Amino acid sequence: ETAVFQTPNYHVTQVGNEVSFNCKQTLGHDTMYWYKQDSKKLLKIMFSYNNKQLIVNETVPRRFSPQSSDKAHLNLRIKSVEPEDSAVYLCASSIDWGYAEQFFGPGTRLTVL
Amino acid sequence: GDSVTQTEGQVALSEEDFLTIHCNYSASGYPTLFWYVQYPGEGPQLLFRASRDKEKGSSRGFEATYDKGTTSFHLRKASVQESDSAVYYCALSRNSNNRIFFGDGTQLVVKP
Repeated sequence: ETAVFQTPNYHVTQVGNEVSFNCKQTLGHDTMYWYKQDSKKLLKIMFSYNNKQLIVNETVPRRFSPQSSDKAHLNLRIKSVEPEDSAVYLCASSIDWGYAEQFFGPGTRLTVL
Repeated sequence: GDSVTQTEGQVALSEEDFLTIHCNYSASGYPTLFWYVQYPGEGPQLLFRASRDKEKGSSRGFEATYDKGTTSFHLRKASVQESDSAVYYCALSRNSNNRIFFGDGTQLVVKP
């Protein structure tokens, strides 16, 4: 049963546009994450939030920015997309910051033309 | 630094074949080791984990044994099915740094 929800499922856009992806978890977890998964299935963590506060911000371009309104929601905004941003963006959550088992959403596939 | 190495990028098998996906890790102490599976159109999900030397994790016919001597956590299944076709990730985490490190993933394709 899905407990980490992501919208939209797919998004196609042009270079330079702004996009925003949403993530909600109903597990009552304190920690949420954004990952980027490329066409070779490599998983790269982008951001980690614990109780609405940014904990880990990996080296990602400044055009990416996470937004958290409460601990159940973590959105991702890309200000001006570029072709290399085409990927699947996965949201995940875990009970707390020290607990490594993560629960993933189904992902949002972004295609930049 | 901590890291996980999966040797096989892709494995192609027929149904009822024996599966081995190799996972070796680099980390000090006793990290927790994980296997995650990602089916098409879904996010990764935890298959099982192990935290101590010689501990065996298992689920859905898959198993792996934590081996600190060889720093390995190889995934095995005696008889694969077409429904096992997925991407498998080995991962590790150490409580001291609260991070999880994923391997590059292994795409398993099982033909009927």
